[in-house]
Amino acid sequence: KNQVEQSPQSLIILEGKNCTLQCNYTVSPFSNLRWYKQDTGRGPVSLTIMTFSENTKSNGRYTATLDADTKQSSLHITASQLSDSASYICVVTLSGGYNKLIFGAGTRLAVHP
Amino acid sequence: NAGVTQTPKFQVLKTGQSMTLQCAQDMNHEYMSWYRQDPGMGLRLIHYSVGAGITDQGEVPNGYNVSRSTTEDFPLRLLSAAPSQTSVYFCASQTLAGANEQYFGPGTRLTVT
Repeated sequence: KNQVEQSPQSLIILEGKNCTLQCNYTVSPFSNLRWYKQDTGRGPVSLTIMTFSENTKSNGRYTATLDADTKQSSLHITASQLSDSASYICVVTLSGGYNKLIFGAGTRLAVHP
Repeated sequence: NAGVTQTPKFQVLKTGQSMTLQCAQDMNHEYMSWYRQDPGMGLRLIHYSVGAGITDQGEVPNGYNVSRSTTEDFPLRLLSAAPSQTSVYFCASQTLAGANEQYFGPGTRLTVT
């Protein structure tokens, strides 16, 4: 069964600290992996998209990694800010067909001052 | 460029009522889709469209209808609302080619009593 699992479910960190969110997937055939940020009451916004051949991609203080062999990805947030408080969603796209996306349930991050 | 817009933002319905959630995009994207987001779960695909006049079912299509008469608009119709349809609904759009970004609307929070 195609699944995307994220850990932890929730996380609290202090402003300025770093953190890493995890994503494991059992999706096949794989096309790409995306990380989204979703603020409360808003739609998800794309942070990174990685294809099979890419193993790291950065977007400002956000760095995503992908290990296609172990089917794992991580999202590292550096020097967290209060505005990083949000849910972070890992999404894997199936190849073939029309962009079928498998969504993880998300990690809810709270950054405290 | 407004991106993806959705109306209404909030809606309360009684069981058995029908309504249409509106979605529009101004980016000339071929692909549009509807998702529902429930607590503790990933977004689930309801219906999608790859162009005007073409629609198909996603993972959870029962109780919902869609049509795509223009590239810009992709309304979602609830035929006879049920409490199980209480959820937050997101519309999204993207181009069809490659590993491209998917843009989400702000969401519609629907409560069925």
